[in-house]
Amino acid sequence: GDSVTQMEGPVTLSEEAFLTINCTYTATGYPSLFWYVQYPGEGLQLLLKATKADDKGSNKGFEATYRKETTSFHLEKGSVQVSDSAVYFCALSDARRASGSRLTFGEGTQLTVNP
Amino acid sequence: DGGITQSPKYLFRKEGQNVTLSCEQNLNHDAMYWYRQDPGQGLRLIYYSQIVNDFQKGDIAEGYSVSREKKESFPLTVTSAQKNPTAFYLCASSMGGFQPQHFGDGTRLSIL
Repeated sequence: GDSVTQMEGPVTLSEEAFLTINCTYTATGYPSLFWYVQYPGEGLQLLLKATKADDKGSNKGFEATYRKETTSFHLEKGSVQVSDSAVYFCALSDARRASGSRLTFGEGTQLTVNP
Repeated sequence: DGGITQSPKYLFRKEGQNVTLSCEQNLNHDAMYWYRQDPGQGLRLIYYSQIVNDFQKGDIAEGYSVSREKKESFPLTVTSAQKNPTAFYLCASSMGGFQPQHFGDGTRLSIL
């Protein structure tokens, strides 16, 4: 079945550091890929998405490129801020499945940014 | 503003009791979902519904039940058969297909 593997956390960075959170996936179809962010005590918010190979999703300084050859969708940001501290989830959706648009999530990566 | 409303924010269950978590959306989305989140873990799908009066089991449906009588509403009942119900429950909705899911702010369920 489909699966998503994220780099293990927690990740701790200083403000203005470069961020990479690795995400690789396994899927039999042609998935769409997503990054969601969860702030403490809240639900998940969509951060960015990509629907086909070589697409680059971007939002709020974060970027991720859909790499079909390496089955990856790594999240990057050039200069993190304290306000970026949160849990980040990589997810995939394969709407060709009979189950429709259900999402498969990675386990999440906790990011802490120190001033 | 359109969105997803989950209530209550905190809920306590006594032994042998059923409790119902509310999820309402005004986004006119066809599909709705319930996830369970345990500390330090990802989300696991409990139930989902792609259309009114129809729903399917997810990966961890045992001990839970749902209904989808209206497009806007998808309540989740945690039954007494669910022996480890303490978790953070998230409801989501989407237009279906490759469209992203939108999430509510969650309900935290604890055992008294």
